[in-house]
Amino acid sequence: QKEVEQNSGPLSVPEGAIASLNCTYSDRVSQSFFWYRQYSGKSPELIMSIYSNGDKEDGRFTAQLNKASQYVSLLIRDSQPSDSATYLCAVHASGGSYIPTFGRGTSLIVHP
Amino acid sequence: NAGVTQTPKFQVLKTGQSMTLQCAQDMNHNSMYWYRQDPGMGLRLIYYSASEGTTDKGEVPNGYNVSRLNKREFSLRLESAAPSQTSVYFCASSEDRGAYGYTFGSGTRLTVV
Repeated sequence: QKEVEQNSGPLSVPEGAIASLNCTYSDRVSQSFFWYRQYSGKSPELIMSIYSNGDKEDGRFTAQLNKASQYVSLLIRDSQPSDSATYLCAVHASGGSYIPTFGRGTSLIVHP
Repeated sequence: NAGVTQTPKFQVLKTGQSMTLQCAQDMNHNSMYWYRQDPGMGLRLIYYSASEGTTDKGEVPNGYNVSRLNKREFSLRLESAAPSQTSVYFCASSEDRGAYGYTFGSGTRLTVV
């Protein structure tokens, strides 16, 4: 059974700090990795995708992937109260059913 | 560009009633999906359609049926609603069977009493 694990949180950080969100996965053939942001009462929104080992930066967001250790992380620099949301990690394998596996999400609270 | 449109946004049903949730996408995506999201359970896949003309069961298909009406539209039907189907339902679509991520609709909040 493919599993994607996230700490449910809440992770509380002060405004301006770096928020670090982590995700581990069990399926070694996973190829594509995604981070979604979900505000309370809203639908998930894709904010980052990463496909190869290393870092990928997009504005204040950096996704980090380490396939050998089977983890993917999301760093949010200069965190803002508007970043307060639940962040979902999703892992996708090429081949097979083509259906990604979602983690249950980490709640992030950025306090002023 | 509307993306993925779901209707209705809210619905209250009595036990045993039926209803259809509608979903349409305008991004020319091949694949479409129905998820439910419950507190503490995360997103659970109900059914998906990898391409027009095909549908497959996901993790929690019991009590639901789907129809891929055409490339744009994918509907979810509850034939006899039960309180256990109280949930938030999301439709999503993707290119290449999800390899580049999903675009989600805004959701339907369903309550079965």
